[in-house]
Amino acid sequence: SAVISQKPSRDICQRGTSLTIQCQVDSQVTMMFWYRQQPGQSLTLIATANQGSEATYESGFVIDKFPISRPNLTFSTLTVSNMSPEDSSIYLCSVEGGTSGTNEQFFGPGTRLTVL
Amino acid sequence: EDQVTQSPEALRLQEGESSSLNCSYTVSGLRGLFWYRQDPGKGPEFLFTLYSAGEEKEKERLKATLTKKESFLHITAPKPEDSATYLCAVRQSGSNYKLTFGKGTLLTVNP
Repeated sequence: SAVISQKPSRDICQRGTSLTIQCQVDSQVTMMFWYRQQPGQSLTLIATANQGSEATYESGFVIDKFPISRPNLTFSTLTVSNMSPEDSSIYLCSVEGGTSGTNEQFFGPGTRLTVL
Repeated sequence: EDQVTQSPEALRLQEGESSSLNCSYTVSGLRGLFWYRQDPGKGPEFLFTLYSAGEEKEKERLKATLTKKESFLHITAPKPEDSATYLCAVRQSGSNYKLTFGKGTLLTVNP
């Protein structure tokens, strides 16, 4: 399975500011995914990022709030813009890549964001 | 409307006390049901993928089974290191790569 790292691992931010989260994979992957895990809630997909094309956002998530970059096949960033306390959450990136054509997703360690 | 429901929300076991976690789903055209383990402060760790009713997968003390409406994660003779949150997710036809997760079951195994 792919090895995925995220930076930062955690941060505390003031409302109204923005934070960019980085996701690095140790192998080339076509699809990268960004999820949010709010306290007591399910992991929820924010968007899917393909290299060389615009990210595809899920219902309830917009590009102005969560802009994504995907400059190459091993790296992506998610920005949380104009933050409010409701954005306090764990943000995770994932990639798809099982063996023998299986399609499980593997997750990074997450970024724990607290907005004051 | 929840598509994936996990029960119980929390389960406390004594070491060696076997039990099962449940994941029920209401999606149509299932293209995979996934089990993950998540330790505090870490990302989910992949455990199993099941694709069709009747399928079973095993790994150490864990066995996952699948029917047309639900999946069970059986834990046999658990140890304290099995303590974690267990997440279930489904992928349905037409959803591209999207996984829909349940809220998880927090398992605590006491020595």
